[in-house]
Amino acid sequence: GQNIDQPTEMTATEGAIVQINCTYQTSGFNGLFWYQQHAGEAPTFLSYNVLDGLEEKGRFSSFLSRSKGYSYLLLKELQMKDSASYLCAAMDSNYQLIWGAGTKLIIKP
Amino acid sequence: NAGVTQTPKFRVLKTGQSMTLLCAQDMNHEYMYWYRQDPGMGLRLIHYSVGEGTTAKGEVPDGYNVSRLKKQNFLLGLESAAPSQTSVYFCASNTGTSGASEQFFGPGTRLTVL
Repeated sequence: GQNIDQPTEMTATEGAIVQINCTYQTSGFNGLFWYQQHAGEAPTFLSYNVLDGLEEKGRFSSFLSRSKGYSYLLLKELQMKDSASYLCAAMDSNYQLIWGAGTKLIIKP
Repeated sequence: NAGVTQTPKFRVLKTGQSMTLLCAQDMNHEYMYWYRQDPGMGLRLIHYSVGEGTTAKGEVPDGYNVSRLKKQNFLLGLESAAPSQTSVYFCASNTGTSGASEQFFGPGTRLTVL
């Protein structure tokens, strides 16, 4: 079956760095997405990886290892506004997104 | 551009009632999707459309119907609502022309079925 695993909740301190991990199993693979979702709001796109390696975009970076079925989202210089859920989603061979349950990130001052 | 809009934002139904959720996008996207989001679970695809006049079943289609009569609109219908359909419903759209096409989401509809 198809499955996405990510931690349910993480806590970090303002100004610090946090890494959110995601492992996936899909029928075929056409890329890995990360979305941010603030409470009560819609998901918004953060990053897309289809090749192995690190993609950097400002304070956020995303890493992919296709051979390990593994990705992580790295958030640097954490700000209070980064408190949100982070959704990992893998695209299968039919170009459908398989979504993880999300990781709730709590930022403490 | 408004992006993706959904109406209504909130709704309370009684078991057995029917309703239609409307999604509209002004980005000229070919692909549109309906998801439901429940606590502790990932987004689950209900139905999707790859173009005007087409629809297809997703992961959890039972109890729902959809129509895509116009490219910019995607309607989700509940013919006889059940408490298990209490959820937050999100519509999304994208160009669908490559794997890298991000999905743009509407603000969601919070539905409670009593």
